[in-house]
Amino acid sequence: LAKTTQPISMDSYEGQEVNITCSHNNIATNDYITWYQQFPSQGPRFIIQGYKTKVTNEVASLFIPADRKSSTLSLPRVSLSDTAVYYCLARSYGNKLVFGAGTILRVKS
Amino acid sequence: GAGVSQSPSNKVTEKGKDVELRCDPISGHTALYWYRQSLGQGLEFLIYFQGNSAPDKSGLPSDRFSAERTGGSVSTLTIQRTQQEDSAVYLCASSPTHGVGEKLFFGSGTQLSVL
Repeated sequence: LAKTTQPISMDSYEGQEVNITCSHNNIATNDYITWYQQFPSQGPRFIIQGYKTKVTNEVASLFIPADRKSSTLSLPRVSLSDTAVYYCLARSYGNKLVFGAGTILRVKS
Repeated sequence: GAGVSQSPSNKVTEKGKDVELRCDPISGHTALYWYRQSLGQGLEFLIYFQGNSAPDKSGLPSDRFSAERTGGSVSTLTIQRTQQEDSAVYLCASSPTHGVGEKLFFGSGTQLSVL
């Protein structure tokens, strides 16, 4: 299984850039790296996905080095509403899409 | 509908009773997943459907748990003889494809409380 490891929690202030790094040392050749965001009392929501190098959308950027053993989710200029749990996933062999414990991001004013 | 719909949103039951949780996926989505999330915890995989078949049931915690999907659409998760440790949020997700590059769309979940 492509196990992922993330920090348990992070604190930031409004307007700052936040980078959350995820390690996935045994990622498979075909695995994509996907990040989800979850607010309290809601299901997770897809943020961004990539295979290698850099991907950017209207919400975030995802940086994946050449060896693909880690990835970094970058949230530009966070606001209080970005306070949530962020999950990094790398598809494992077989059918499971395994969620790790996630990173609790707290944005303060 | 526009998104994944789960019902009921909240369910309170007594220990030993059976419960059924329903998931209406996004129309046309072939893959459907059930997860469980206990208070303050991450997501625990339960079962996955591709169409009406369930290639992976490995996450079901015991034989009290079962799930089915009919018509390639609606899915029902049934928990028999509920126990207090079954209390959790049960989340359903659907996807238009399965495999590499898959993106899941989640419902808001069913909060199950077993008294």
